[in-house]
Amino acid sequence: NAGVTQTPKFRILKIGQSMTLQCTQDMNHNYMYWYRQDPGMGLKLIYYSVGAGITDKGEVPNGYNVSRSTTEDFPLRLELAAPSQTSVYFCASSLRPGVGYTFGSGTRLTVV
Amino acid sequence: GDSVTQMEGPVTLSEEAFLTINCTYTATGYPSLFWYVQYPGEGLQLLLKATKADDKGSNKGFEATYRKETTSFHLEKGSVQVSDSAVYFCALSEGSGYSTLTFGKGTMLLVSP
Repeated sequence: NAGVTQTPKFRILKIGQSMTLQCTQDMNHNYMYWYRQDPGMGLKLIYYSVGAGITDKGEVPNGYNVSRSTTEDFPLRLELAAPSQTSVYFCASSLRPGVGYTFGSGTRLTVV
Repeated sequence: GDSVTQMEGPVTLSEEAFLTINCTYTATGYPSLFWYVQYPGEGLQLLLKATKADDKGSNKGFEATYRKETTSFHLEKGSVQVSDSAVYFCALSEGSGYSTLTFGKGTMLLVSP
């Protein structure tokens, strides 16, 4: 049982480049989330999804986009990367809203 | 809006010492409360939870009691181990509709032998 799998684990981007952070889960969870974690700032919600085809903005969505074409996958797209997007990104899923999140191991992104 | 406030770290303890990490919250309704733990280089793991007032969540020797009157959910452990060194996050969820988790800033715990 793999749980939540994120790729890549590390990435360095140049300013203005784009990339997609991949997230997939094998628990048949309808609810999926993207958070960013900055030192001393806890986790901030970027986007979330309540099921295939349905997404909504979180607290800090600017500079990001998401899609949810299947229950399993919830990729996060960064367009025109900026230094302010240097962070650790976590994907999570849950069976019901706000309860019992399962987190991936994270993607550490550096924008230079 | 909802918010969670945790004591700042790092909290530095010797092995077998008593641990308390304070957590208070602000919420409009009747939230569920959680403690998550993050070991170095890993994602967050659910440690314990409580869904209503006066509930006590417990796991791996850690416990926390949902105190509605003081809007608190302090984490305690009677005797910490070196392996407990990690960052601990308090979180809440309103538990209705499409509510998501709101996290505190995290408290780092360092336990020395």
